[in-house]
This record gives sequence, C-alpha cells and structure tokens, in this order.
Amino acid sequence: EPEVTQTPSHQVTQMGQEVILRCVPISNHLYFYWYRQILGQKVEFLVSFYNNEISEKSEIFDDQFSVERPDGSNFTLKIRSTKLEDSAMYFCASSVTTGELFFGEGSRLTVL
Amino acid sequence: EDQVTQSPEALRLQEGESSSLNCSYTVSGLRGLFWYRQDPGKGPEFLFTLYSAGEEKEKERLKATLTKKESFLHITAPKPEDSATYLCAVQGRESQGNLIFGKGTKLSVKP
Repeated sequence: EPEVTQTPSHQVTQMGQEVILRCVPISNHLYFYWYRQILGQKVEFLVSFYNNEISEKSEIFDDQFSVERPDGSNFTLKIRSTKLEDSAMYFCASSVTTGELFFGEGSRLTVL
Repeated sequence: EDQVTQSPEALRLQEGESSSLNCSYTVSGLRGLFWYRQDPGKGPEFLFTLYSAGEEKEKERLKATLTKKESFLHITAPKPEDSATYLCAVQGRESQGNLIFGKGTKLSVKP
C-alpha cells in the first residue's frame, strides 16, 4: 500500500539552528501538507502546498518556516532558527484532492 | 471560529463491550468530517470521511455517523487491537487542506 515517508524519524538540535524535515508524498497525490503535534496536544495545521506554491497557511507558519518541493518526489519543511517551543512531532501528509489526507509516521524534533 | 470537541477524553472497555465516541463540531460550512486512528508515536491513520448529515460509513468493527452538529464513532465488540487514540477533524468549505482536529479519545480495550 502506498505511504507517505518522512525522514529523519527523530532529530535533536540546538536552539537557533536550522532544521530541514523531509517527506516523500504518495506518488499520484497533488496536495501536500505539514502538520505538527506538540506532546499531549492537538494535531495542528501548518501549511498546504499545491502546484508549487503555498495554498493556505496557519498563524503558526511564520517567517521562520518555509516549504519547498525541490524535485519531483520530495517535499521539505525548513525551520530557519529553531526555538524551544518548536519541539514537536511534525507530520507530512498528502492527498489527491483537498479531502482525505494521508499522514506519514512523523519526525520528532527536539530543540535543546 | 471552527472548533472540534471530542468526548470522552479516555474510555476503558472490556473486550466485546460496545460503545460510542462523540465528536461535536462547529464549522462555517462543512466540506467534510474525518475520523483518524493514532497509535502512540505514530501518524494519524485515515479511517472515514463523512460529507453530509445522515451519512454513515462502516469498516470492520467501526461505524461512523454524522448529524449537523456531531459525529459518532460506534465500536462494536471491540478487541484489544482497537486500543488507540481516535481523532475527529473537520474541514471548512473555504479550506485548502486545513483540518481542524479535536484532542481525541484514548480508547483502551482490556482482554
């Protein structure tokens, strides 16, 4: 069964460092997303991406965040200067339309 | 403001003891309501989409229903492997993939 794959599964970084999280969406999907889940809290929307541009973003997705689809398969989330409060599980998702999202297993980010 | 509230927060069942999970929502024009299962340390796993009041979907021991204000996830004769957190999410009509999630119901099924 096709699945969304994410790397790394866990990253530990120092506050102020740049982090790139990578995702390979399901191959025939056209819409890509990043969500995050702080430990014990709700899953929260960050950004959606379609046709090589951001289609929607939340208030969380400020100037320190960026997304990119550098080639035909990868979808990345960059955090320029990490803060302690960026520690969370980051989920990539993809979908055929803007409906049923299929999520990856997540990348756990720990900022020290 | 779009909002999703799930109850109860936690539910303990004996194997075979059927029950229901509730998801109450407010949204400015519902495009879809989604149920996901999440195991510890894992990503949400898609279960169902419901689009309009009166709609029902079934998968194995799970059945999801939808009204104009809430959705129920009915679990019939649960097994220990059904233990997980069940998440409800809604998508508004103007959304481009922004799902609003509830906090989930943590289900534990004891043998």
